[in-house]
This record gives sequence, structure tokens and C-alpha cells, in this order.
Amino acid sequence: ETGVTQTPRHLVMGMTNKKSLKCEQHLGHNAMYWYKQSAKKPLELMFVYNFKEQTENNSVPSRFSPECPNSSHLFLHLHTLQPEDSALYLCASSRTGTGRNTGELFFGEGSRLTVL
Amino acid sequence: GDSVTQMEGPVTLSEEACLTINCTYTATGYPSLFWYVQYPGEGLQLLLKATKADDKGSNKGFEATYRKETTSFHLEKGSVQVSDSAVYFCALIYNAGNMLTFGGGTRLMVKP
Repeated sequence: ETGVTQTPRHLVMGMTNKKSLKCEQHLGHNAMYWYKQSAKKPLELMFVYNFKEQTENNSVPSRFSPECPNSSHLFLHLHTLQPEDSALYLCASSRTGTGRNTGELFFGEGSRLTVL
Repeated sequence: GDSVTQMEGPVTLSEEACLTINCTYTATGYPSLFWYVQYPGEGLQLLLKATKADDKGSNKGFEATYRKETTSFHLEKGSVQVSDSAVYFCALIYNAGNMLTFGGGTRLMVKP
């Protein structure tokens, strides 16, 4: 139990569906992240939120839409995805102070997404 | 830019064998260095870290020493167990608020 909970753990969707991934952290952290982990590829940082403000968007396609309503919750809204978007999506959180990142991230167990 | 290079896996060992997973980095300054581990079906978790040159991070029998002269942070364990089977990620970050840079990960398989 890392204090970061992701739901659902598994999701199968068609290319025309709209779905959302949810992440919740109970650690009192102020920064939250979405990473994409595909087979045989390095971890890809997708989005970063610090105190609910998006601070990083690594050229992610617009079919992925993040939402951070407060420092404890992070969503990833999915629509019109492609089969190559099938991957494990990992949420993480950390404590930062005045913009400094300690590098100590706490990860959830991930949401395994399959796009048919 | 900054980068982290790890040895390609999988690494397959018998139980009680010695482990070394190589990690080297390219950076313009003096980053903090980390090893993360991902057990099957789980997310990543921090295994150990070192924040300055010659520091040694250790946890669960694993060790890694921050070598500035060789820009390396190799992960070692004297006697591996089946339960150590996982994917290990080397990573770095600067203390100025940048994001973590991860290596590609090395899968370790330990056989009884």
C-alpha cells in the first residue's frame, strides 16, 4: 500500500469510447503525475500538476485530457484512442517545496488500458 | 540533455548469486540518483537513493554508490532471492526542481 490508489486497474475500450482513469493520494503531497509505460519502451512522463496547476505537458496528444480538481485527485480523460495507446498508465505523487522536486515519487499500481 | 543508461535485460540469476545492474548517466551538474523497483503487477517504488558524490544508498540488502568520476550508480546485492525478481529503474534529478529522468529499466529474474 503506497498511499496512491488508481482505478480502474484494468480497462478495455473501443476507439470511439470515452472513459476516465482516476488517481487518489492520501499522503498530503502537492504534486501529481501521469506516466505511460509501454512494453519495451522507457517510462514516458505525460503530465505534471503542482498545487493543482499543470506544469508539464510532454507533447501528449489531445485525446488524453488531464484534470486535477484538488491536490489529492487526478484524472485522465480518454477519448477516441488508438490501439497504440494500449499501455499501463501510472499515477504518482510527491512533495515539492517552492518548486523543488526531491525525486521521491510514490506510485500507484497502475491502470492497464487496452484499446481495441 | 540528461540521460540514464542501464544494461539491457533480462538478467537471469540463480538464488543466492551476486547481482550487479549497471547504470551510467549523462548530466551537466551533480544530480541526485535513485533506484526504483517495480514488482510484477505493481507500480514503481523507491528502493534507494544518493544525493552527492561518494554517498552510498542501501535498502533491503541492495547497495549503490554515487561515483562522480565514472558517472555511475551501479546496483549491487550480494545474494539475491526469488522475491527480488522485478524490473529495476535507475533515475536522476537535479535539485533545482526538474523532473525525474528514468533509464529504460532492467528486468531481473531469479530462479530457485
